[in-house]
Amino acid sequence: GAGVSQSPRYKVAKRGQDVALRCDPISGHVSLFWYQQALGQGPEFLTYFQNEAQLDKSGLPSDRFFAERPEGSVSTLKIQRTQQEDSAVYLCASSSYRNVPRGYGYTFGSGTRLTVV
Amino acid sequence: AQRVTQPEKLLSVFKGAPVELKCNYSYSGSPELFWYVQYSRQRLQLLLRHISRESIKGFTADLNKGETSFHLKKPFAQEEDSAMYYCALSPLISSGSARQLTFGSGTQLTVLP
Repeated sequence: GAGVSQSPRYKVAKRGQDVALRCDPISGHVSLFWYQQALGQGPEFLTYFQNEAQLDKSGLPSDRFFAERPEGSVSTLKIQRTQQEDSAVYLCASSSYRNVPRGYGYTFGSGTRLTVV
Repeated sequence: AQRVTQPEKLLSVFKGAPVELKCNYSYSGSPELFWYVQYSRQRLQLLLRHISRESIKGFTADLNKGETSFHLKKPFAQEEDSAMYYCALSPLISSGSARQLTFGSGTQLTVLP
């Protein structure tokens, strides 16, 4: 595809419901990031994949958050037993580089806006 | 730990006036600094980066290591510059590897006619 694609664009979940958010990176991109952007805040790092390997998950806020990228392309961010504080825009970004050169800015998707009611 | 501070949540200027969006950072190592922009109903996109010392859409930003600042400036603002602007920091790791970005909370710039 031409860019990073995320689905769904909007998701409303009842508190306690499980959700799955999908990211289709640019074809062939090695590196994939997930960020969480709460209302009025900048994006915050959640996790990073290099191909299928999850190399950094230090930003995941709790064990209710789980991400996978089993075949090194599409990635899914799953949130179990959603809480109101999970309401945010979830952004995916990808890069063709394994070792990112200086000055490189990632390509971001449009995000999934999750609202937990 | 690294931190990026954008002290102004909202900034309004008139068309043709100079504009400066402030960004301060804290980081113990050598950082890379970026400005990202998000126009209404569009995705987050890279505006410029300190390493290339470039001017994009008339915007410039100089990394001031002494003041730990990376303010974004434009001498004559245009209405199409109205957008949300985020300053971001990435650690510079000589051995390479993907590097996460730490973002500020953003400044909403409105350029009035």
